[in-house]
Amino acid sequence: EPEVTQTPSHQVTQMGQEVILRCVPISNHLYFYWYRQILGQKVEFLVSFYNNEISEKSEIFDDQFSVERPDGSNFTLKIRSTKLEDSAMYFCATQGDSAGPQHFGDGTRLSIL
Amino acid sequence: GNSVTQMEGPVTLSEEAFLTINCTYTATGYPSLFWYVQYPGEGLQLLLKATKADDKGSNKGFEATYRKETTSFHLEKGSVQVSDSAVYFCALTLSTQGGSEKLVFGKGTKLTVNP
Repeated sequence: EPEVTQTPSHQVTQMGQEVILRCVPISNHLYFYWYRQILGQKVEFLVSFYNNEISEKSEIFDDQFSVERPDGSNFTLKIRSTKLEDSAMYFCATQGDSAGPQHFGDGTRLSIL
Repeated sequence: GNSVTQMEGPVTLSEEAFLTINCTYTATGYPSLFWYVQYPGEGLQLLLKATKADDKGSNKGFEATYRKETTSFHLEKGSVQVSDSAVYFCALTLSTQGGSEKLVFGKGTKLTVNP
């Protein structure tokens, strides 16, 4: 069964550094999402992306965050200057059409020191 | 706003016991409802879904019925197995601009099934 692949599985970064989290979606999927889960808390929506632009973003997704699909395959989440509170598990999800299920990757655990 | 509330865990059961995990929602409009499962070290997997009132989603022996009158979507299984040990998330979606549908999750309920 096709899978959503996320890399790296674990990223440790100093506060203030930039990080890029990568996601390879299922082929032919059109809708892309990032979610995060701070330890012990809910899975929270960050941003959705369709037709090469952001469809919706949450209040968490401030100017420090950006997403892009630079080569038509990888879908990336960039955090420009990380903060301690960015430490979380980040999940990518992709969707074939708006009525279909979202398929999740295994997540990237981001640890900010 | 739109939100999902599910029963606090953890839940510990013996094998073959009956499972219920309660989930209620608040939403503007008519959401689609989902249960996702997260096995240790893995991502979220869709377990089942229901898109309109009175629909019953089912998969792997799990069931949940979309109850509009009680705004609920409780997860049930008649006889749990050790392999069902995981964290279960109730979630809803409402259509957003551009057709994408963000998921709104509950906090998750950790289930442990002992042999």
